[in-house]
Amino acid sequence: GAGVSQSPRYKVTKRGQDVALRCDPISGHVSLYWYRQALGQGPEFLTYFNYEAQQDKSGLPNDRFSAERPEGSISTLTIQRTEQRDSAMYRCASSLVGSSTDTQYFGPGTRLTVL
Amino acid sequence: TQLLEQSPQFLSIQEGENLTVYCNSSSVFSSLQWYRQEPGEGPVLLVTVVTGGEVKKLKRLTFQFGDARKDSSLHITAAQPGDTGLYLCAGSHSGGYQKVTFGIGTKLQVIP
Repeated sequence: GAGVSQSPRYKVTKRGQDVALRCDPISGHVSLYWYRQALGQGPEFLTYFNYEAQQDKSGLPNDRFSAERPEGSISTLTIQRTEQRDSAMYRCASSLVGSSTDTQYFGPGTRLTVL
Repeated sequence: TQLLEQSPQFLSIQEGENLTVYCNSSSVFSSLQWYRQEPGEGPVLLVTVVTGGEVKKLKRLTFQFGDARKDSSLHITAAQPGDTGLYLCAGSHSGGYQKVTFGIGTKLQVIP
């Protein structure tokens, strides 16, 4: 079956522009996570959805970052007024129920470059 | 702030050698996972350990969860070039959902 997909795979934008990153989780997965990953390091938690409810957004760096999952499936991470420090790999993951022992399946990521 | 520390951060060994990667924290985790990530790909789960002192084996890989559930180790026997990658440990606290904290990772290179 299809895994987690993300689009676009690469995004280059100019400082000050808004960007929207899309995540398509595995069908039927209740839980969806967004991470940011610097090169050669582990993913850093950004936010978590259970169905359409955003239950934890403690990892979002500031109020320029927001995320939604309106129908409990596809999710969008939006970064407003991008800055160069926002450049990173943004990864999405989904899991069936989101318990502490559940398996998270990661997408291929979106490489964001802010010029 | 990294709550999970991994060591070593970089490791380059010859094919056939054994190695151990360590994951340490001051926090107690309800479960701990090990992932492997290859360049250009997302992390892929290798194992989840939940019980203090638990040992799990996956072919040539042996995973151990510390008795106090604050640390873990990954031991690879007779490393092969296909083992090359970034190994990440990730801990979860109990509380309803799987908020995972990742370590910084260990970059392993196995030279043929």
